[in-house]
Amino acid sequence: DAGVTQSPTHLIKTRGQQVTLRCSPKSGHDTVSWYQQALGQGPQFIFQYYEEEERQRGNFPDRFSGHQFPNYSSELNVNALLLGDSALYLCASSLASSTYEQYFGPGTRLTVT
Amino acid sequence: GEDVEQSLFLSVREGDSSVINCTYTDSSSTYLYWYKQEPGAGLQLLTYIFSNMDMKQDQRLTVLLNKKDKHLSLRIADTQTGDSAIYFCAERRGSTLGRLYFGRGTQLTVWP
Repeated sequence: DAGVTQSPTHLIKTRGQQVTLRCSPKSGHDTVSWYQQALGQGPQFIFQYYEEEERQRGNFPDRFSGHQFPNYSSELNVNALLLGDSALYLCASSLASSTYEQYFGPGTRLTVT
Repeated sequence: GEDVEQSLFLSVREGDSSVINCTYTDSSSTYLYWYKQEPGAGLQLLTYIFSNMDMKQDQRLTVLLNKKDKHLSLRIADTQTGDSAIYFCAERRGSTLGRLYFGRGTQLTVWP
């Protein structure tokens, strides 16, 4: 039973560029949440997708957008990258009927130079 | 306050018990969580407790919940060097559809 997978593992981008991160949820899960973890901080909620729609959103600008596909996998897109976007981006999956259990992937480390 | 609070550092000797404390913010929080993060890795769900419980035990882990004081603790019995990691407390507030609010994490260091 595959857990949550994310790609790529590491990414280096330049200010102003755009980036796409990918997540495949744990088998059987239908809900995907994205979190940003800056160095030395706890994860901060970006948004959550269910049934291919954004269901709720944290305090992040519109530069952060996402998508969920029919197979429940998800993408996180960040436009016009800033140095402050450098962080570990974590994907968490859960089942809509029991979202109290959330499992995280290994994360994508994004460095913006 | 708005933030989940945790002490940042804890050091213990191998074989001792570790107790990591957390103060959460919302009295209507339904679930409280403990996650573990090892260097360069994602978050591992260790355990969680429903708000109508006072205690939950799972092998070496014991979670205590004091709803009156909004205080959560994680006790690790017989702490091992492999337990060295950052431990995050998180709360699921009210009807936030599964959104989790995390503390800054407690760095646990276990000395041999």
